[in-house]
Amino acid sequence: GIQVEQSPPDLILQEGANSTLRCNFSDSVNNLQWFHQNPWGQLINLFYIPSGTKQNGRLSATTVATERYSLLYISSSQTTDSGVYFCAGGNYNQGGKLIFGQGTELSVKP
Amino acid sequence: EAQVTQNPRYLITVTGKKLTVTCSQNMNHEYMSWYRQDPGLGLRQIYYSMNVEVTDKGDVPEGYKVSRKEKRNFPLILESPSPNQTSLYFCASRGQDTYEQYFGPGTRLTVT
Repeated sequence: GIQVEQSPPDLILQEGANSTLRCNFSDSVNNLQWFHQNPWGQLINLFYIPSGTKQNGRLSATTVATERYSLLYISSSQTTDSGVYFCAGGNYNQGGKLIFGQGTELSVKP
Repeated sequence: EAQVTQNPRYLITVTGKKLTVTCSQNMNHEYMSWYRQDPGLGLRQIYYSMNVEVTDKGDVPEGYKVSRKEKRNFPLILESPSPNQTSLYFCASRGQDTYEQYFGPGTRLTVT
């Protein structure tokens, strides 16, 4: 089955810094999402991005499907950005089941 | 507000006492699924449903049951919970025209 590898596993930033999180897939995926898990455990949808580039405020994401990776950019980080970031992907022929990476734990210090 | 809701949000129970975690969505989504999240193992799919009365096993179905009698509801049933089912559980849904999934707030279950 598909394997999802995220890097780095941990990241500590000073408030205001920028960062790039990476997600590699072992096989092609048709659907790909990025999530933020907040300190209360809730999974917040950030992007649905099977290909291309999207931006939402200080966050943007790029997926290069042919090379099986996706990047999440966080600019001007804030303490509220802290938490765990997951990417997840899957294929249409599996009903859209999402395979999750292990996550990147981000800590933004004031 | 479009959302997926789960109840209860927190539950502590004892081994063998049957329990049900409810999941409901108000987006008229056809597809619903359950995941569990465990440290070091990430999120794994338990069961999914493509539509009413259509359910199928995910990657870790042992010890769980589901039903889909109505489009909006997809309860997760633990007939005889065991301590290894202590976990954080998420319900998710998506519409037919997209593969973007929306997750509920999670249910933190502890089985002693």
